[in-house]
Amino acid sequence: NAGVTQTPKFQVLKTGQSMTLQCAQDMNHEYMSWYRQDPGMGLRLIHYSVGAGITDQGEVPNGYNVSRSTTEDFPLRLLSAAPSQTSVYFCASSYSFALSDEQFFGPGTRLTVL
Amino acid sequence: SQKIEQNSEALNIQEGKTATLTCNYTNYSPAYLQWYRQDPGRGPVFLLLIRENEKEKRKERLKVTFDTTLKQSLFHITASQPADSATYLCALGVDTGRRALTFGSGTRLQVQP
Repeated sequence: NAGVTQTPKFQVLKTGQSMTLQCAQDMNHEYMSWYRQDPGMGLRLIHYSVGAGITDQGEVPNGYNVSRSTTEDFPLRLLSAAPSQTSVYFCASSYSFALSDEQFFGPGTRLTVL
Repeated sequence: SQKIEQNSEALNIQEGKTATLTCNYTNYSPAYLQWYRQDPGRGPVFLLLIRENEKEKRKERLKVTFDTTLKQSLFHITASQPADSATYLCALGVDTGRRALTFGSGTRLQVQP
């Protein structure tokens, strides 16, 4: 099993550009989520999905869109990049949406917006 | 307001000693608390889960305590090794309708040989 994979590993964007961060898991997990990690602020939830076709907003959803058309994939779209979106982005998955389930994290995407 | 506090200053200890990391929270009533390890440039990795009705959980050299009265969890690494150097994150599982963990900002542990 590859676990949770994310692409790209690094990305530089100009303000106003759009892009999609890819996330895939091969563990047949129901639950997937996106976090951003900024220095001193910990992981903050952007969006999450409890199954294919179901998504919901997290703590900091503005400027991001998600969709979940398959169990395996959960892409994160930046609609019009802003410098405030410079961060490290982590995708995570778990077997179910139970709060006791361990989260499996991908390796992260480091995004810089100029 | 709701807060999760982990010591933002790095914890430096000597190899072989016990490291103790603290996770304090306010205005939460978590049913679960999880601890994760994060190495530089990598995603967090799950270590331990403790439930609200459990006082203590152990796994090899790791021990977690959960005091819902003090609103605090302590994470211990006994016989610490330089390989234990990493950032450790606590995460609360609170049933607010939003199905997601809430993470602290982490404490960096440095074990000196």
